[in-house]
Amino acid sequence: DQQVKQNSPSLSVQEGRISILNCDYTNSMFDYFLWYKKYPAEGPTFLISISSIKDKNEDGRFTVFLNKSAKHLSLHIVPSQPGDSAVYFCALNVGGGADGLTFGKGTHLIIQP
Amino acid sequence: DTAVSQTPKYLVTQMGNDKSIKCEQNLGHDTMYWYKQDSKKFLKIMFSYNNKELIINETVPNRFSPKSPDKAHLNLHINSLELGDSAVYFCASSHLGAYNEQFFGPGTRLTVL
Repeated sequence: DQQVKQNSPSLSVQEGRISILNCDYTNSMFDYFLWYKKYPAEGPTFLISISSIKDKNEDGRFTVFLNKSAKHLSLHIVPSQPGDSAVYFCALNVGGGADGLTFGKGTHLIIQP
Repeated sequence: DTAVSQTPKYLVTQMGNDKSIKCEQNLGHDTMYWYKQDSKKFLKIMFSYNNKELIINETVPNRFSPKSPDKAHLNLHINSLELGDSAVYFCASSHLGAYNEQFFGPGTRLTVL
């Protein structure tokens, strides 16, 4: 039973356009939501996060949106750049302890020149 | 100045052998984790340690034994290796508490022949 779903295994976007990556979850206990970026043969790198008390968090070209009622999380990248090509994981947590993150399966974002 | 480091990066071994993977973090974090990324690309928490004490053990076979000699290190020992243990293992660390992102090492690709 996957608690976190990223239903698009891959996404191709033209350079300069907006990339939108989506994530759905089932456990309403999650209260901290993160996006990680991963290049081949490297570990995941933290990108941006949002807590359940907010519905939007922005950091430069990256914005994360949280819709708690729909149990849906999205990451917007604008404008998309070639270096954004990577696998993006959403990761969720029940905050407050030493819990591990629950990851989605990832979406491979490909930025086309 | 690597934040979270793991050794070795690649490990190829025969079934039945015992092997160890080392992890060190220089971020001053008090909590460390081991994750496993299997062939289906899911990243799943295996263990978490806080101040050298085991916090989470997520139904991992007891052939896997984490050991934390100090807060900066969390090593993973695996006894009697099986084919199904082949995966990429990631170490991570964070500060304990809500809303703290985890920082990941580069991963160790374990191949059991």
